[in-house]
Amino acid sequence: DAKTTQPTSMDCAEGRAANLPCNHSTISGNEYVYWYRQIHSQGPQYIIHGLKNNETNEMASLIITEDRKSSTLILPHATLRDTAVYYCIVPSPRADKLIFGTGTRLQVFP
Amino acid sequence: DAGVIQSPRHEVTEMGQEVTLRCKPISGHNSLFWYRQTMMRGLELLIYFNNNVPIDDSGMPEDRFSAKMPNASFSTLKIQPSEPRDSAVYFCASSHGNEQYFGPGTRLTVT
Repeated sequence: DAKTTQPTSMDCAEGRAANLPCNHSTISGNEYVYWYRQIHSQGPQYIIHGLKNNETNEMASLIITEDRKSSTLILPHATLRDTAVYYCIVPSPRADKLIFGTGTRLQVFP
Repeated sequence: DAGVIQSPRHEVTEMGQEVTLRCKPISGHNSLFWYRQTMMRGLELLIYFNNNVPIDDSGMPEDRFSAKMPNASFSTLKIQPSEPRDSAVYFCASSHGNEQYFGPGTRLTVT
């Protein structure tokens, strides 16, 4: 798996956009970027993934830079329920498995 | 679909006892994963199956751990004998592709 680097923690005010960065400078051309999150005491939850185009779904938006060496997960209107650890993962296309790092602990405050 | 189902949700056992954790994946998913999560080591992949066949068990810590998937709708993770350092939350996940769907986990405490 391509190595990813994320900040350890971030804060965000409720109602504001949360922008979570991820560096993956060793990513190769056919590797996707995946984002998961883990709310306290629950199993991880899939959020979104992308290859090179920006992606949006009901949970979040994913912005991938043109050189694909970094990406940003955007929660457009953060709520208290978005407080969680967010993982950026770049799995090898030759394998089915995901390697979870330490992620970013996002704290949304009132 | 009910999602990935794990049982039991909580297990407390004494050192030396056998522990069996159970998982029912989402219907139609062809891959199943067992993870372990602790404060010290984070979320670790133990083993995964594709079409009921073990593909990668390099994360299984030692011979005390074993996993089976007798059919597409059921898998077990067994620890025999259990030790206090096995205390953790064990997650099962299933997928069809790289979007994995996790169960609620089994919190294991070995005293």
